[in-house]
Amino acid sequence: AQSVTQLGSHVSVSEGALVLLRCNYSSSVPPYLFWYVQYPNQGLQLLLKYTSAATLVKGINGFEAEFKKSETSFHLTKPSAHMSDAAEYFCAVSGYSGSQGNLIFGKGTKLSVKP
Amino acid sequence: EAGVVQSPRYKIIEKKQPVAFWCNPISGHNTLYWYLQNLGQGPELLIRYENEEAVDDSQLPKDRFSAERLKGVDSTLKIQPAELGDSAVYLCASSPGGSASYNEQFFGPGTRLTVL
Repeated sequence: AQSVTQLGSHVSVSEGALVLLRCNYSSSVPPYLFWYVQYPNQGLQLLLKYTSAATLVKGINGFEAEFKKSETSFHLTKPSAHMSDAAEYFCAVSGYSGSQGNLIFGKGTKLSVKP
Repeated sequence: EAGVVQSPRYKIIEKKQPVAFWCNPISGHNTLYWYLQNLGQGPELLIRYENEEAVDDSQLPKDRFSAERLKGVDSTLKIQPAELGDSAVYLCASSPGGSASYNEQFFGPGTRLTVL
């Protein structure tokens, strides 16, 4: 069984400040991990994914995440927040294929960016 | 390249009425997913298709929900009859092929259903 916990349903940062969104996972098989972003009234867009290659993964829009097996974490970071980063962010976990290949999403973290 | 298309974008119905949602995946994508997203929650899988075959419908409430993907291209999700608790966003996603999860899923904009 797989699950995702996102700590903090709402995170607020100032423009130019560090963004840190936390994600912890549980998986009975080697996990694949994903971060998606959702803007209001839109679908989800993939930011980045970990698929057992490099543990530090770089994504779009300056975001990156580091897979830490010992901590079962996959936190999302960005050095300097932009106003356009305000959105909801979802962490997801899956196994390789079959029913384990289905994405299991966290509840999401809403990011607000203050000018 | 066109993205995943969903219609309608918004739907308001009264309880006990039927409703249908339509999804056209990205051309060439064999795998199609329907998700339910409640307010303040992440998406939850309802059903996954590989071509025209529903390979995982374990989370689909079959007493009132049904889905089809004739010819392995576009898909329809139906609710009959709708209940108040069905108010949510219904997302469709597609991926290039196979159920391997490293295949990126591309999401449509969703249909926001309100049941009165």
